[in-house]
Amino acid sequence: NAGVTQTPKFRILKIGQSMTLQCTQDMNHNYMYWYRQDPGMGLKLIYYSVGAGITDKGEVPNGYNVSRSTTEDFPLRLELAAPSQTSVYFCASSLLNRGPSTEAFFGQGTRLTVV
Amino acid sequence: AQKITQTQPGMFVQEKEAVTLDCTYDTSDPSYGLFWYKQPSSGEMIFLIYQGSYDQQNATEGRYSLNFQKARKSANLVISASQLGDSAMYFCAMREGGSGYSTLTFGKGTMLLVSP
Repeated sequence: NAGVTQTPKFRILKIGQSMTLQCTQDMNHNYMYWYRQDPGMGLKLIYYSVGAGITDKGEVPNGYNVSRSTTEDFPLRLELAAPSQTSVYFCASSLLNRGPSTEAFFGQGTRLTVV
Repeated sequence: AQKITQTQPGMFVQEKEAVTLDCTYDTSDPSYGLFWYKQPSSGEMIFLIYQGSYDQQNATEGRYSLNFQKARKSANLVISASQLGDSAMYFCAMREGGSGYSTLTFGKGTMLLVSP
């Protein structure tokens, strides 16, 4: 049971570099999310997707881009890495987003450091 | 305004004792759900317990229970008989039902340390 898989687990980027955080889920969930976790700040939503081809901004989308070409995959792109993007990134998915009882399943997280 | 407030940055408890982690929320939506997640030092997010706004009884899952006080807009997590493995960060989160789609909003978390 793979669930939600994120790669890489760790990455160090130089300022101005680009990278893509990969996320895939095998639960046939229609909803997927990207959160970032900063120390003492909880999790903040970057982007989410309600299905293939549909994405929307969350609370902190600046500096990031996403795409959702398939149900399974939801990559997060950082175009010009900045130190402020040093964080732990979580991908999550849920089966159905209508109604309040939908539990989200999380990946293991990606720890990103921008130097 | 914050939708989820966790006022305890850190809590200490001795093994086998009970502990309550506080969570208050803010919403005008009559339909919402409250979640608690555990994040151990390894970093993964583990779902613990869920309470719906229309649920008549407080949710329980093994040693975890939720003290839901709707009028006070609080959803405190109670861990009974604490174990060393309960040492972790705990997050309260809310999803509003509403008429459209919604996402999970998290509090800042409470670090729980269980001592022998």
